[in-house]
Amino acid sequence: ILNVEQSPQSLHVQEGDSTNFTCSFPSSNFYALHWYRWETAKSPEALFVMTLNGDEKKKGRISATLNTKEGYSYLYIKGSQPEDSATYLCAPYGGGSNYKLTFGKGTLLTVNP
Amino acid sequence: NAGVTQTPKFQVLKTGQSMTLQCAQDMNHEYMSWYRQDPGMGLRLIHYSVGAGITDQGEVPNGYNVSRSTTEDFPLRLLSAAPSQTSVYFCASRPGGLQPQHFGDGTRLSIL
Repeated sequence: ILNVEQSPQSLHVQEGDSTNFTCSFPSSNFYALHWYRWETAKSPEALFVMTLNGDEKKKGRISATLNTKEGYSYLYIKGSQPEDSATYLCAPYGGGSNYKLTFGKGTLLTVNP
Repeated sequence: NAGVTQTPKFQVLKTGQSMTLQCAQDMNHEYMSWYRQDPGMGLRLIHYSVGAGITDQGEVPNGYNVSRSTTEDFPLRLLSAAPSQTSVYFCASRPGGLQPQHFGDGTRLSIL
């Protein structure tokens, strides 16, 4: 199992603020990193799957970077909106014979109007 | 495509009862997984499968059985329900390791 830590656990921001949070994972046996957005009372939805060191992905106001050598990924939200309120989950994937996709506990983002 | 379909959506059981949570996907995905969601614990992996006939344990497998007789179906069985198994259960599938996972809508299970 790839141990994964997400920080902070929760975050409150005002509408219009930009914010970021971290996913840390062991840098050995790394193959890919998944990010998901999980709104209350819904099921998680995929944001990004990242594989390459230095990779950066963007989807609207949300972007993510990946550092596989030091074992972390940042998720950024620019100009937060109330509809961005959700739990953001990351899951490192080890590849090879390790097919498990195990998640961190997530960062709960609340955007106040 | 219906995606990942979970049934039932809600269920109440008594301690000691058994039941099966159903999961089906119509996307021909090889990988399927079951997770449980508990407050403050995020999503924890119960069991997973990388193809028909192949299953393996996740982080919290005790008290649950799975089987994968077809690519489409991945049922989760509770043999003797316990109050600690009260949770929301999510089934998920994906084509391969580098592809994103698709989740069902969840099954809310209460055990009295």
